[in-house]
Amino acid sequence: DTAVSQTPKYLVTQMGNDKSIKCEQNLGHDTMYWYKQDSKKFLKIMFSYNNKELIINETVPNRFSPKSPDKAHLNLHINSLELGDSAVYFCASSQTRTDGYTFGSGTRLTVV
Amino acid sequence: GDSVTQMEGPVTLSEEAFLTINCTYTATGYPSLFWYVQYPGEGLQLLLKATKADDKGSNKGFEATYRKETTSFHLEKGSVQVSDSAVYFCALSPRGNFNKFYFGSGTKLNVKP
Repeated sequence: DTAVSQTPKYLVTQMGNDKSIKCEQNLGHDTMYWYKQDSKKFLKIMFSYNNKELIINETVPNRFSPKSPDKAHLNLHINSLELGDSAVYFCASSQTRTDGYTFGSGTRLTVV
Repeated sequence: GDSVTQMEGPVTLSEEAFLTINCTYTATGYPSLFWYVQYPGEGLQLLLKATKADDKGSNKGFEATYRKETTSFHLEKGSVQVSDSAVYFCALSPRGNFNKFYFGSGTKLNVKP
């Protein structure tokens, strides 16, 4: 199936830990994104990569570090997790502005 | 700057009722406009889109028309079903910068049998 897949789907961890979320797309898209969705469903862009190059880096704590080993993968590493990092994180990809995004199914991160 | 404003929810309707979810936008030039749907526990799925003024996007009985004069892209469905219960997001892709989409805050729709 062609899709954007991210793992894990659920992640429960303690404060202070370091964790990673992986994302892969097999759509051949050039641009990939990380979004954070809070408990009120508000979506906030965090990062965007185009062909492995960082093009959007919103105001995000530097504990969050994206890595794109190739244009099909965009991973998110989070250091020193805090309670406020609890949210659903979505990976997405796109090719043109008229096609829209294709989203992954999300990773629900819970920091305890 | 570019932005999207959509009506606050939740919206609660009975099955077979008519649905309208309002969306207005602010953008320079002619953005592309989208509606996404998020079912409980899932990611966002593209529902429909329109890329130029007066275009009508449609899918699964939902429709939205790109109105440049009112800068609106309201979502409508003539007869909702319980299975339409979800959160709906309006979004725009600015002309000249497709790398950043702007999403509305989402409108939760509850459809009762």
